[in-house]
Amino acid sequence: EVQLLESGGGLVQPGGSLRLSCAASGFTFSSYAMAWVRQAPGKSLEWVSAITGSGDTTYYADSVKGRFTISRDNSRNILYLQMNNLRAEDTAIYYCAKDDVGVVNLIDYWGQGTLVTVSS
Amino acid sequence: EIAMTQSPATLSVSPGERVTLSCRASQSVSNKLAWYQRKPGQTPRIFIYNIFTRVTGFPDRFSGSGSGTEFTLTISSLQSEDIAIYYCQQYHNWPYTFGQGTKLEIK
Repeated sequence: EVQLLESGGGLVQPGGSLRLSCAASGFTFSSYAMAWVRQAPGKSLEWVSAITGSGDTTYYADSVKGRFTISRDNSRNILYLQMNNLRAEDTAIYYCAKDDVGVVNLIDYWGQGTLVTVSS
Repeated sequence: EIAMTQSPATLSVSPGERVTLSCRASQSVSNKLAWYQRKPGQTPRIFIYNIFTRVTGFPDRFSGSGSGTEFTLTISSLQSEDIAIYYCQQYHNWPYTFGQGTKLEIK
């Protein structure tokens, strides 16, 4: 059974940093691309960042480029999202998501999400 | 960035009704169009990809159609368990983008 367990969310002041983690199990982690998708209050879903199974290619939404860094540890089956210089508009539930193939394509499994609140 | 626009935002329907949801892309997405279903309290679930290919095991009352920039999700006979928010998503160009969703409600 595929399981994705996010952690690391919380309340942070504008300009602050957080690192989200996603512990994956139930599949061969290195064979699949992974992504972070967020949903802000009252808004739709937004792909934030994605990374191929090998980790050699990363993708970022323009809204987070230069501030967020996605990475993965294939030896420990963990996906990360380092978020720096956080803004109020980054407030959202962040979902860890598994792709259906090794390149960035379609999400077939989602974690339950972790809430990030950026506020002073 | 390709913008995805769904209509209507909310739809009130009776069980047994035929339902049609629309999704429009701001530019062609080729055949890279998927639909996700999100029931209350759950995470989204993909059920159609490549415009009309249904995920194995998903009810065949759901069907996708369209091409280029105009797409449609049809539910042939609405069941109570189909109450959810439906999102379309393009995966033709990064950043992949979702529509704002159509919420189905029971009339």
